[in-house]
Amino acid sequence: ETGVTQSPTHLIKTRGQQVTLRCSSQSGHNTVSWYQQALGQGPQFIFQYYREEENGRGNFPPRFSGLQFPNYSSELNVNALELDDSALYLCASSLGLNSYNEQFFGPGTRLTVL
Amino acid sequence: EDKVVQSPLSLVVHEGDTVTLNCSYEVTNFRSLLWYKQEKKAPTFLFMLTSSGIEKKSGRLSSILDKKELFSILNITATQTGDSAVYLCAALTSGTYKYIFGTGTRLKVLA
Repeated sequence: ETGVTQSPTHLIKTRGQQVTLRCSSQSGHNTVSWYQQALGQGPQFIFQYYREEENGRGNFPPRFSGLQFPNYSSELNVNALELDDSALYLCASSLGLNSYNEQFFGPGTRLTVL
Repeated sequence: EDKVVQSPLSLVVHEGDTVTLNCSYEVTNFRSLLWYKQEKKAPTFLFMLTSSGIEKKSGRLSSILDKKELFSILNITATQTGDSAVYLCAALTSGTYKYIFGTGTRLKVLA
């Protein structure tokens, strides 16, 4: 296990609702990235937070938003849920922005939108 | 547009076989190429490759990067049923330091 935890493990919502997913990074890691992994696909980068600031964003609409706290834990918020938002949401933590530091993934949150 | 392409998409082999998984990339501001193994949920880290032509090994697994031809391979020798998983490769870009993943290769090893 990597020390990265996510909650909840599973979640069922209906279209139009809002959801908040949580991630606790590995001890000492100040960078958190969020990914969406649809069934049979590779993870797609949503955004990254470094020291509480958004450091980059993938091709996701503004209804996907995030937050990083002073203890470096992070939240992913999704508003106005759509059926296509059903996926495994992974967070990954790393130390700094150095490209030589690998990312460690959490177990993910499986979101189902009905 | 940045992209990472993996082949084959799926593979079925018997225990003891050797497999080669391929990963090609077209990414601006390329920094590193990473391989992950995903069995149930969290991808687990296998290798990070930054320099061309230097093979990295871990037990029966090895990987190498060719930055001129923009591809990497992951070799698994003497496969075991425990190697059954989805193998993901990802290109790490500088700037935003985001990972661009391929779709993955689903490997099934039969006893």
